[in-house]
Amino acid sequence: GAVVSQHPSRVICKSGTSVKIECRSLDFQATTMFWYRQFPKKSLMLMATSNEGSKATYEQGVEKDKFLINHASLTLSTLTVTSAHPEDSSFYICSAKKAGDPYGYTFGSGTRLTVV
Amino acid sequence: GENVEQHPSTLSVQEGDSAVIKCTYSDSASNYFPWYKQELGKRPQLIIDIRSNVGEKKDQRIAVTLNKTAKHFSLHITETQPEDSAVYFCAAPWNSGNTPLVFGKGTRLSVIA
Repeated sequence: GAVVSQHPSRVICKSGTSVKIECRSLDFQATTMFWYRQFPKKSLMLMATSNEGSKATYEQGVEKDKFLINHASLTLSTLTVTSAHPEDSSFYICSAKKAGDPYGYTFGSGTRLTVV
Repeated sequence: GENVEQHPSTLSVQEGDSAVIKCTYSDSASNYFPWYKQELGKRPQLIIDIRSNVGEKKDQRIAVTLNKTAKHFSLHITETQPEDSAVYFCAAPWNSGNTPLVFGKGTRLSVIA
């Protein structure tokens, strides 16, 4: 089956530093990657959509200069949280969509970010 | 775009009883309706999904029904067990094509032994 590897699973960083989260599709080509953020006891909220080789599309209220998304290949997408602040502490999850499969959404295992 | 509403937000049932969670969606063109189970600190796990060309789908103790006219779909869990306790999310695609899933707000299910 389709597998998406997401790293790191947990990260603690100091306020003002940057953190990079990677999502890698292991056995399929992910033409599209969706990045979600989930606060405690809340639902998954879409942050941005990235297509391989093009700029990401960000949802309203998500700062593109703060959350840098790169989707340079069909198997790797990264989310970099720049100048992190405590309010950025959250659970970040990627979801990869396989080319040509309208029903295939594969989730990464998530990254718990804590900014201190 | 799609808007997904989910009810109830919390649900407690006795072990062995049934649980039903309901969702409505706004985009009549939506054609795919997955349900996810999420345990604390884990990724959402797809437990069942239904496509718009069928009205019901069953997998052991889990079933999903779809009413396209009314634009709602429901998750049914029978003979509930303590390990069914989790947060359940319904979802629907934002639009047709390569679009993200829009999630309901979630239902926290507690199965009391």
